[in-house]
Amino acid sequence: EPEVTQTPSHQVTQMGQEVILRCVPISNHLYFYWYRQILGQKVEFLVSFYNNEISEKSEIFDDQFSVERPDGSNFTLKIRSTKLEDSAMYFCASSGSDKETQYFGPGTRLLVL
Amino acid sequence: AQSVTQLDSHVSVSEGTPVLLRCNYSSSYSPSLFWYVQHPNKGLQLLLKYTSAATLVKGINGFEAEFKKSETSFHLTKPSAHMSDAAEYFCVVSDRAGGYNKLIFGAGTRLAVHP
Repeated sequence: EPEVTQTPSHQVTQMGQEVILRCVPISNHLYFYWYRQILGQKVEFLVSFYNNEISEKSEIFDDQFSVERPDGSNFTLKIRSTKLEDSAMYFCASSGSDKETQYFGPGTRLLVL
Repeated sequence: AQSVTQLDSHVSVSEGTPVLLRCNYSSSYSPSLFWYVQHPNKGLQLLLKYTSAATLVKGINGFEAEFKKSETSFHLTKPSAHMSDAAEYFCVVSDRAGGYNKLIFGAGTRLAVHP
């Protein structure tokens, strides 16, 4: 069964450093998403991406964040200068023709020190 | 605005007894609702979804949920809990306002299953 994959599973970084979180969505899907879950809080939407551009973003998704689909398979989330409060589990998701049904990856746990 | 409220942060049941995880929703239009499950150190797995067809929705692993518009509820049930059901469960509503279907998550219910 096809699934969304994410790398790395864990990342530790110093405050101010750039990180890139990688995702490989399900191959025939067209809609891509990033969510995050700060420890003890709700899963929250960051951004959606379709047709090589951002379709919607939340207030959290400020200028420090960017997304890219650099090739036909990968979907990345970059945080330019990490802050302590960026520590969270980051989930990638994708959906196909039924765009409401999103399939999630296993997540990347980011720790900013 | 769309929202969901999970009424219990923790539920504890004995193996073989029924499971009930409660969820109320708020929506300005006919909602699409989902339940996702997260096992320890795993991703979010789709259990089931409701999209305005049958009000009783069957999902994987013996779970089902009933959409009740009059009560704005979408409770998740299973007749007999198994040890492997211990996990965190999220009730989710789709926000179609922007056209691209971002998901709005509830706070989650942690299910413990005792022998």
